Amino acid sequence: RKEVEQDPGPFNVPEGATVAFNCTYSNSASQSFFWYRQDCRKEPKLLMSVYSSGNEDGRFTAQLNRASQYISLLIRDSKLSDSATYLCVVGDYKLSFGAGTTVTVRA
Amino acid sequence: SAVISQKPSRDICQRGTSLTIQCQVDSQVTMMFWYRQQPGQSLTLIATANQGSEATYESGFVIDKFPISRPNLTFSTLTVSNMSPEDSSIYLCSGSGGEDTQYFGPGTRLTVL
Repeated sequence: RKEVEQDPGPFNVPEGATVAFNCTYSNSASQSFFWYRQDCRKEPKLLMSVYSSGNEDGRFTAQLNRASQYISLLIRDSKLSDSATYLCVVGDYKLSFGAGTTVTVRA
Repeated sequence: SAVISQKPSRDICQRGTSLTIQCQVDSQVTMMFWYRQQPGQSLTLIATANQGSEATYESGFVIDKFPISRPNLTFSTLTVSNMSPEDSSIYLCSGSGGEDTQYFGPGTRLTVL
């Protein structure tokens, strides 16, 4: 079983729509959780950390459910520039990466 | 956040040769890591680069194939030795300042013919 599993998508949504997706992780002892964004042929960039209480950064909301071992990301009012692959990342000083969820926002 | 640079940004190499990739961080970081990302896949950790001592390799990666140096807190190199076409990939270094967040270099795109 992979340490971090994600729905690969793609999620094709119109501008202004809301899109949400999850990932699950296998190591219940994991302490740190992140969403990274990776654009085509670029390096991953930190989108946001995910905290137990859930957190929001502008149009992005992340939730953590430790009991069920999943993390979610919700994007509101999607922009064309949100088109990317979103990587779910779990770990401590060593990180495990999901394979990514591809989101395409169309005009 | 740390700013990380890598060179070369890309290279095309012949089978059996070796390539050394350099990673430079603009500030001191506690941890540095090397990853591989094959086409259409996510990142796989190769090793943790330890300052002044041997790197810590993940399962499936060995020092003879991927020797790593880290002479100080801001610089590391990864060598891909005796290359084969299966080594064609993007190699990324990352740095972490003690918190768990990692920042990535732009990657080195390697093609082995």
